[in-house]
This record gives sequence, C-alpha cells and structure tokens, in this order.
Amino acid sequence: EVQVVESGGGLVQPGGSLRLSCAVSGSTFINYWMTWVRQAPGKGLEWVANINRDGGEKYYVDSVKGRFTISRDNAKNSLYLQMNSLRAEDMAVYYCMRGSGGVWGKGTTVTVSS
Amino acid sequence: QAVVTQEPSLTVSPGGTVTLTCGSSTGAVTSGHWPYWFQQKPGQAPRTLIWDTTNKNSWTPARFSGSLLGGKAALTLSGAQPEDEADYYCFLSYSGTWVFGGGTKLTVL
Repeated sequence: EVQVVESGGGLVQPGGSLRLSCAVSGSTFINYWMTWVRQAPGKGLEWVANINRDGGEKYYVDSVKGRFTISRDNAKNSLYLQMNSLRAEDMAVYYCMRGSGGVWGKGTTVTVSS
Repeated sequence: QAVVTQEPSLTVSPGGTVTLTCGSSTGAVTSGHWPYWFQQKPGQAPRTLIWDTTNKNSWTPARFSGSLLGGKAALTLSGAQPEDEADYYCFLSYSGTWVFGGGTKLTVL
C-alpha cells in the first residue's frame, strides 16, 4: 500500500521560512511526478508546485514563484518544499500528492502569524 | 493563468444520477489536460476518484465514472449514496502547470 506522509508544518512569523517534507513508501518513488497542493482555511484546493521524476522540471503557481522551491531526493523517497518570505496568505494545510493516480497524504498545517 | 469552472453546487436524490462538469477558459477540455477528480469530505484530506480522464483507483466506487462531454471533463455519479455528499474538485494540466476548479458541493437529498 502506498503511503504519503507530510511533515514540517508549524507556526512561523511573516517573512519567515519553513521546510516541508513528504515521505512516500510502498511505490517506486522515482517513477512519479510529485505535487504540492494547499488549502487555506475554509477555501478550495490550490495547486502550488510540481516536479518531474528526476527533478529537472519544476513548475510553480505565480503567487509563490521566487519564494518557494520544490525539490526531491529519490534516494530517500522524499519530496520537499522550501518556503521563504512567508505571508499571511500562505497559511494553509499543505498536501503532498503522488502523480499517476493521485495518492494524497493527510497534510501538514502552516500557520503564518506574528 | 487559465480558469477552471465547476458548478458551485448540485443536489441529487439517493439512487439518482448526477453529472459534474469541469470547463476551461482556454477552450475545450481534452485528454491532454489529464483531468483529475477529487472528493473531499469535511475535515478530511482529498482523495482521488478519477485520473487521466477515466482511470479509477482501487478505492473508487464503481458508481463514479469520468469522461469528456461537450468540451468539458465530466464526473458522473450513478446511484448516489448518502456517503457521496462531499466537495468535488477537478484538476487540469496546462503544459506543466495545473489549475483546480473552484469545487462543487454535492448534496444527496
């Protein structure tokens, strides 16, 4: 069974940084694109970023370009999201999703507040 | 950035059939948009029902199906059950970037 587990969320001040991690087990990690999705309180889902199998292609929603960086370590079956210059509007539950079938984790919560 | 449109809300009777649609501001939705459909219940993470237009996961109830219909992606629920009451989101690819629809709140009543 494929499992996706996010971690690294927490409380951070505006302008601060946070690094999210996503561990995937039960499937061959390198075979799949990976995606970060977020959901602000009471709002819909928003695509944040995705990365191809070898990490050579990365795409971002306009609102995070230049501030967030997606990366992966295929040896560790892990996906990351480095978030810098955080804003109040980045506050959300962040989900990791494996491509081809869309296996989701339970999410990790990022709170941006002073 | 493209805008993906869904019906804000729909109601279906228990045992009934309903079709949710997903349109694109850039034109017709095709298989090249790799349409996904997600279900989300309150307080839960989303789960994927349909991927790449028509593919189901092992956990996808047989009563759900995906298709392309009239230039849109479509999710059809045949034989609605009370547990199908949820928010449903479509998700389309635009050459590497992706966009979610605003979601459809489905009521089974």
